[in-house]
Amino acid sequence: GQNIDQPTEMTATEGAIVQINCTYQTSGFNGLFWYQQHAGEAPTFLSYNVLDGLEEKGRFSSFLSRSKGYSYLLLKELQMKDSASYLCALMDSNYQLIWGAGTKLIIKP
Amino acid sequence: GAVVSQHPSWVICKSGTSVKIECRSLDFQATTMFWYRQFPKQSLMLMATSNEGSKATYEQGVEKDKFLINHASLTLSTLTVTSAHPEDSSFYICSARDPRADSGELFFGEGSRLTVL
Repeated sequence: GQNIDQPTEMTATEGAIVQINCTYQTSGFNGLFWYQQHAGEAPTFLSYNVLDGLEEKGRFSSFLSRSKGYSYLLLKELQMKDSASYLCALMDSNYQLIWGAGTKLIIKP
Repeated sequence: GAVVSQHPSWVICKSGTSVKIECRSLDFQATTMFWYRQFPKQSLMLMATSNEGSKATYEQGVEKDKFLINHASLTLSTLTVTSAHPEDSSFYICSARDPRADSGELFFGEGSRLTVL
C-alpha cells in the first residue's frame, strides 16, 4: 500500500527558515510534489522531485531521497504570507497523486 | 502557464436541489480531469476521475448517482451534485494535467465552495 506522513502543524518566525518533512511508503514511484494551499483557496504548485537531490526555486527548496522514502520542503526568509498549509503528494506507478494530510505552517512576527 | 478555471466560486442552494460546477482547461486539452472535495481543516479527497468521452471513475465510497460527472469535451468537465443536502457542503476543486508539461504537475481550478441550507 501507500502511505504519506507529514507533521500536522508547525510554527516559525518571520525571517527564519523552516523545514517541512514528508515520509512515504509506496510500491511504485513517479515523483513527489509539494503544493501550497492558503485557507479557502485551491492548492498551487511549488515543486516536483523525481530524482534524488535538492531542487531550488527562489526562497523555496525541495529535497528527495528515494531510498529513504523522504522529502522535505525548505522555506527561507519566511514572510507572513507564507502562512498556509503545505501538501506533500506522491505520484504512484499509475500516475495518480496520493496526498498527505498537509502541514499547517503558522508564521509569527 | 496552464490555467484551469472553475465556476461558480461560491454557491448556496436549498436542500434537495441540484448544483452544477464547471471546470475548464483554458489553454490546453485535458482528456482527464480530477474532482476533489475538501472539508474544513482536512486534506484533499479525490472523488472521481473524469475521462473525456467515457464514464468517470469514482473512488470508493463516492456515490456516482449523486455526483454526476460529464466530460463532453477536451476542455470541459462538469460535476453535478444532485439532491444536495447540508452534509454535501464542502469545497469542491477540479484539476487537470497539461500534457505538454514534463512532470505530472496538476493545475487546480479556483475551487467552488458549496453551502447547502
